[in-house]
Amino acid sequence: DGGITQSPKYLFRKEGQNVTLSCEQNLNHDAMYWYRQDPGQGLRLIYYSQIVNDFQKGDIAEGYSVSREKKESFPLTVTSAQKNPTAFYLCASSGIYEQYFGPGTRLTVT
Amino acid sequence: GQNIDQPTEMTATEGAIVQINCTYQTSGFNGLFWYQQHAGEAPTFLSYNVLDGLEEKGRFSSFLSRSKGYSYLLLKELQMKDSASYLCAVILTGGGNKLTFGTGTQLKVEL
Repeated sequence: DGGITQSPKYLFRKEGQNVTLSCEQNLNHDAMYWYRQDPGQGLRLIYYSQIVNDFQKGDIAEGYSVSREKKESFPLTVTSAQKNPTAFYLCASSGIYEQYFGPGTRLTVT
Repeated sequence: GQNIDQPTEMTATEGAIVQINCTYQTSGFNGLFWYQQHAGEAPTFLSYNVLDGLEEKGRFSSFLSRSKGYSYLLLKELQMKDSASYLCAVILTGGGNKLTFGTGTQLKVEL
């Protein structure tokens, strides 16, 4: 089945640790995106990539890093510099215009 | 800056019709999406409008007026499973198919 997978669904980390969230797609899409969703707020763009080996900062990139070494994969690292990392993280990819979303990873940092 | 406004919450009755409005003020515009999101799940695509007018898809319709910076999502014959958050999102110009999202409208369908 074609789609986007994110793992794990729930992730718990101690403050001060870096953590990497995975995102894989088999839709053959060039563009991929990472969003963060907090209660009562809309989705906010963290990073996006239009092509392999290239990515751009979104609206809230501070404290995050990404890589795009393969078309299918766009992992997000939440670093210890991110002040409020606890959130629901959504990965998406797009072909012509519509963005398809993965199931999300809920990260809790204590 | 980019500004997209939606009502925070709405309540409607099963079998009824509900209209969820979205107004936007953005520095560019390449189209508007509506997504449905159930709690704890990923958003799923409902509709896309780039030209003025009404797009109908089953029980769901979406309308766009570019000159007024206004869109609405119309849900007919409401069902309990339609209880969800509805997200309005604008594609900005400038490449990358970047979306700017509103905060979403939480719709509750009651008996």
